[in-house]
Amino acid sequence: GIQVEQSPPDLILQEGANSTLRCNFSDSVNNLQWFHQNPWGQLINLFYIPSGTKQNGRLSATTVATERYSLLYISSSQTTDSGVYFCAVRYGNKLVFGAGTILRVKS
Amino acid sequence: AAGVIQSPRHLIKEKRETATLKCYPIPRHDTVYWYQQGPGQDPQFLISFYEKMQSDKGSIPDRFSAQQFSDYHSELNMSSLELGDSALYFCASSLAAGDTSYEQYFGPGTRLTVT
Repeated sequence: GIQVEQSPPDLILQEGANSTLRCNFSDSVNNLQWFHQNPWGQLINLFYIPSGTKQNGRLSATTVATERYSLLYISSSQTTDSGVYFCAVRYGNKLVFGAGTILRVKS
Repeated sequence: AAGVIQSPRHLIKEKRETATLKCYPIPRHDTVYWYQQGPGQDPQFLISFYEKMQSDKGSIPDRFSAQQFSDYHSELNMSSLELGDSALYFCASSLAAGDTSYEQYFGPGTRLTVT
């Protein structure tokens, strides 16, 4: 099956710093989503981005499908950005998730 | 905007008991997916339904079964519960049309604790 790898596994930031999270996948996909799982366990959709670049406020994402990777950029981080960031690719009917990046933003 | 609804939000059961989790998809979404997330793990796909028919199956134990009803809501039935079934169970929904891939939207999850 498809492999999804995320890096880094853990990240500690000072409030206001910027960061880049990476997602590599081993096969062609027609859907890639980024999620934020908050401390209460909710999975929040950030981006649906099979290719190209999208921006939403302080967050932006880029997927280069031909090179099988996606990047999530977080600018001017806030403590509320803390949590786990997952990328997930669609393989068949299902989403296959990476192991996630645990982000901690300190004030 | 309406979101995916799951009930109950929390459930505590004893070993060997049964549990039923319910999922109400976003209106007009015809595809429902179930995922299981163990502590410290990423969500793992269990099963999906399109137009009330099972469309894909993942690592779902034989003790679990699921179905989608005529109003598109779905139920996940879990029997002979084991301690290892303690997890967060997510339901997601999407539109689906042939091979077109649509964004999946996740519900808030049901946290199941088996004691």
